[in-house]
Amino acid sequence: DAKTTQPPSMDCAEGRAANLPCNHSTISGNEYVYWYRQIHSQGPQYIIHGLKNNETNEMASLIITEDRKSSTLILPHATLRDTAVYYCTGNQFYFGTGTSLTVIP
Amino acid sequence: EAGVAQSPRYKIIEKRQSVAFWCNPISGHATLYWYQQILGQGPKLLIQFQNNGVVDDSQLPKDRFSAERLKGVDSTLKIQPAKLEDSAVYLCASSLRGKGPRGGPLTKNIQYFGAGTRLSVL
Repeated sequence: DAKTTQPPSMDCAEGRAANLPCNHSTISGNEYVYWYRQIHSQGPQYIIHGLKNNETNEMASLIITEDRKSSTLILPHATLRDTAVYYCTGNQFYFGTGTSLTVIP
Repeated sequence: EAGVAQSPRYKIIEKRQSVAFWCNPISGHATLYWYQQILGQGPKLLIQFQNNGVVDDSQLPKDRFSAERLKGVDSTLKIQPAKLEDSAVYLCASSLRGKGPRGGPLTKNIQYFGAGTRLSVL
């Protein structure tokens, strides 16, 4: 299974962009990168996914490096409700420990 | 669209007792997953069903854990007997499809999670 590495925690000022990195150096060529987030006492919620190209949806943007060994999730204008644990997965079945993002007022 | 339903939300039992969790996936979703999430860790996949067949149960402790998905819809996860280290949140998720042929990934296979059942074993 593709393992992922993420920083354990990050802070971001409200209204600023939050950039969450993920290393997935063992990902195989046809595995998608998925991002989920988990707010306290809830199940994980899907955010975005991609294979090679950068992706954007109403929630976030995903930047994947050309070698596909890492990616960055971008929340363009972080709000207090974005405070959560963010997981990137290489195959959707290995979640790792994620990054705890705290948005500060 | 109704989400993934799980019950109960909380359960407290003593070690060596039995417990069962129930999950109702989103209508039409062929694939159902059970995850165990220990405090401070990410979810760990226990078992994956495709319709009513098991696709992957490699991380399911089969000496005490069992799961079934009769008729390819609802699913139950059972622990018998429970141990202290089983204290965790048990999450159920569903998706339209799971792993592709020969275990490969699928183009878009978003998992939708329930709120989970928090189990405390005393």
